[in-house]
Amino acid sequence: GENVEQHPSTLSVQEGDSAVIKCTYSDSASNYFPWYKQELGKGPQLIIDIRSNVGEKKDQRIAVTLNKTAKHFSLHITETQPEDSAVYFCAAILPSTGNQFYFGTGTSLTVIP
Amino acid sequence: DAGVIQSPRHEVTEMGQEVTLRCKPISGHNSLFWYRQTMMRGLELLIYFNNNVPIDDSGMPEDRFSAKMPNASFSTLKIQPSEPRDSAVYFCASSRGGPTEQYFGPGTRLTVT
Repeated sequence: GENVEQHPSTLSVQEGDSAVIKCTYSDSASNYFPWYKQELGKGPQLIIDIRSNVGEKKDQRIAVTLNKTAKHFSLHITETQPEDSAVYFCAAILPSTGNQFYFGTGTSLTVIP
Repeated sequence: DAGVIQSPRHEVTEMGQEVTLRCKPISGHNSLFWYRQTMMRGLELLIYFNNNVPIDDSGMPEDRFSAKMPNASFSTLKIQPSEPRDSAVYFCASSRGGPTEQYFGPGTRLTVT
């Protein structure tokens, strides 16, 4: 299967600063990389995703970059706000294993007002 | 669309009792996933179905766990007999199939005393 590693496990930033979360994956055949945000007491929700034929994708304050050669992808949140505080998960799909997600271990982000 | 529906939202039971968790996926989605989330182990995939057929159940912890999907709009996850170490939040997710977004339900928080 696929092995996804995520760092850091916890991250604190001042409101207005940027936050970066990084993930690596092991199988170069993985082709879909979503990022999920999980607020307390809720299920994970997709915030952005990227496919292997794209190097970067942006949606307002959120961006994801993918380096296929190095097999890593990163989530960038700019101008952080207190409501960005949550746990963020990266994931990868390896087509040979079906449609299952291989999740990272999560990053707890705290934005300090 | 109502999203993925899970019931019950909370379940408290005594060790040895049977527990049944229920999930209604989003209409038109043909893949369904059951996850377990704990602080120690993070998000674990238990089993997933494509077109109501179980594809990979290698994540099911032991024979006490079983899952069914009798039709495209309903799935159950059963634990019999339950044990305190089964205490966790159980999520159901669905997708259209292929490498694409999974939509998570709100989860069922299970406590086994």
